[in-house]
Amino acid sequence: DAGVIQSPRHEVTEMGQEVTLRCKPISGHDYLFWYRQTMMRGLELLIYFNNNVPIDDSGMPEDRFSAKMPNASFSTLKIQPSEPRDSAVYFCASSFSTQGASPLHFGNGTRLTVT
Amino acid sequence: SQQGEEDPQALSIQEGENATMNCSYKTSINNLQWYRQNSGRGLVHLILIRSNEREKHSGRLRVTLDTSKKSSSLLITASRAADTASYFCATSAGGTSYGKLTFGQGTILTVHP
Repeated sequence: DAGVIQSPRHEVTEMGQEVTLRCKPISGHDYLFWYRQTMMRGLELLIYFNNNVPIDDSGMPEDRFSAKMPNASFSTLKIQPSEPRDSAVYFCASSFSTQGASPLHFGNGTRLTVT
Repeated sequence: SQQGEEDPQALSIQEGENATMNCSYKTSINNLQWYRQNSGRGLVHLILIRSNEREKHSGRLRVTLDTSKKSSSLLITASRAADTASYFCATSAGGTSYGKLTFGQGTILTVHP
């Protein structure tokens, strides 16, 4: 199993540009999560999906952030327009539901730098 | 706000010593999980303990859970330099938060060879 695959690994962009982060979850997993990690705020849950349907997006910071999961094997997180304060490491994780007691499998993250 | 709070924030020990990290949380949980994160990598699941369990072992790892005190501890015995990483606890509340994990701020563990 290849694990959760995220791309790109690093993204450097200028303020105002659109950024799209991509994630391929582990095959067969029905939950997908987007987290953001910064030194100041730690790991924050942005949004999560179950069977491709967004369940909780209360962690999405602003309307500039949007996430989609068009099918079970692909998800995107888009920031438009990007701002310097969006600089962080963005992680995608997936899990297989077992009465809520499932470990998350994380990708290696996308390090985003907005200048 | 973070559900779990780890203590200490940083821990430095010698190889062969034991490392103990603590986690406190605020609300009722369905289960508590511990994760490790090596520098520049994603988090890796270590162990899960359910709310009706008090202790669990996995290799050199021992986790305890005290739901009355809303706290958990992770013990790594006979530590190795390769155990150097950040360690996070994460809680699942269940119910309407089914599947959702909330992470603490983490403990940075440094094991000196």
